[in-house]
Amino acid sequence: GESVGLHLPTLSVQEGDNSIINCAYSNSASDYFIWYKQESGKGPQFIIDIRSNMDKRQGQRVTVLLNKTVKHLSLQIAATQPGDSAVYFCAENMGYGQNFVFGPGTRLSVLP
Amino acid sequence: EAGVAQSPRYKIIEKRQSVAFWCNPISGHATLYWYQQILGQGPKLLIQFQNNGVVDDSQLPKDRFSAERLKGVDSTLKIQPAKLEDSAVYLCASSSMTGRQETQYFGPGTRLLVL
Repeated sequence: GESVGLHLPTLSVQEGDNSIINCAYSNSASDYFIWYKQESGKGPQFIIDIRSNMDKRQGQRVTVLLNKTVKHLSLQIAATQPGDSAVYFCAENMGYGQNFVFGPGTRLSVLP
Repeated sequence: EAGVAQSPRYKIIEKRQSVAFWCNPISGHATLYWYQQILGQGPKLLIQFQNNGVVDDSQLPKDRFSAERLKGVDSTLKIQPAKLEDSAVYLCASSSMTGRQETQYFGPGTRLLVL
């Protein structure tokens, strides 16, 4: 069965506020994680990745945090914009030769 | 750099009919993936190719689904016969390497509705 996420929650934020999207994973052997953004009618788009030897990685307006102790991953979006509205998926990889397992996703709605 | 191309974008068929999807990966990408994404869920891997060989097809329902990548570039995914539960978006992705956790780049997907 799925090892990442359990359902599709929805997060609504005001434009300009910061967003935090969470993801729980169950396999402690996972050592590489990716956040994808999927807009309506499009395929998933890579946002940011992180390896298990790190606990934080920053990109442009996005930060990913990894807490291996509780097997939790989060995506922080600063100054959320209308164009950030989408479904966000975390995906985990359990090592060399393994494929990615995707969670069910979180829908982010940005309110004007 | 051109992205992953897929066609058709939409397809409506009746149950028990057959359907085929086409994917052209990013130029030079050796690894190609087909995913099934049911509404409200994350993508689920169906099959992975490395060049023209199958690396992983453990989650492909082989009684009705088939896929090929004969020349190691384009790929087709076929469903025959289709069932109602096959209604989903079929995503193709490619990456430059396999087994080294390389980022996968996705196409826009083909939305299939089985009536």
